[in-house]
Amino acid sequence: DTEVTQTPKHLVMGMTNKKSLKCEQHMGHRAMYWYKQKAKKPPELMFVYSYEKLSINESVPSRFSPECPNSSLLNLHLHALQPEDSALYLCASSSLSGRRGYEQYFGPGTRLTVT
Amino acid sequence: ELKVEQNPLFLSMQEGKNYTIYCNYSTTSDRLYWYRQDPGKSLESLFVLLSNGAVKQEGRLMASLDTKARLSTLHITAAVHDLSATYFCAVGLFGNEKLTFGTGTRLTIIP
Repeated sequence: DTEVTQTPKHLVMGMTNKKSLKCEQHMGHRAMYWYKQKAKKPPELMFVYSYEKLSINESVPSRFSPECPNSSLLNLHLHALQPEDSALYLCASSSLSGRRGYEQYFGPGTRLTVT
Repeated sequence: ELKVEQNPLFLSMQEGKNYTIYCNYSTTSDRLYWYRQDPGKSLESLFVLLSNGAVKQEGRLMASLDTKARLSTLHITAAVHDLSATYFCAVGLFGNEKLTFGTGTRLTIIP
């Protein structure tokens, strides 16, 4: 299994809603990542979990809350989002072992629209 | 702070022609990646370059890395319409999980 899966594929939420994005990998990878990508822009790193611990937080607003329940799962909890948070949210994972250990494998993304 | 620049930002080329996309970065790095992204889709890994002088080829695409010049190139040979996409390079620093992405090059192949 060489896939990273993400659910849901699309999400529309109001500014007062609470929702969660989910990401899963079964490749035994030890690092997982959340990115935000606006149209026609490169992905922007939000968070990195290494060995199930938060290792990088790129000064993301607290309305985004990551969670890593185990080495295969990564969640992104959303609360009180703003319309400018509408974007494609990408999850990725990497093995952290061997010469290609930092190569990132991306999931299909969740298209988020905040109304 | 690591900065990664790509050029050109936009490239429109005819089928059958050759062209090169450039990726410059500002800090010594031990790894560089090329990704492809189709509209509305996720990123697909194309090449992993881990040493000076590395050259990788897949079909009509060839990537190379010059760590001394802090430069990577993605060369397209005899372009076909299927290669139309946005191409990103991404650079990583020693022992750090973070990748810094270039601005992307939007490639359009015209029949």
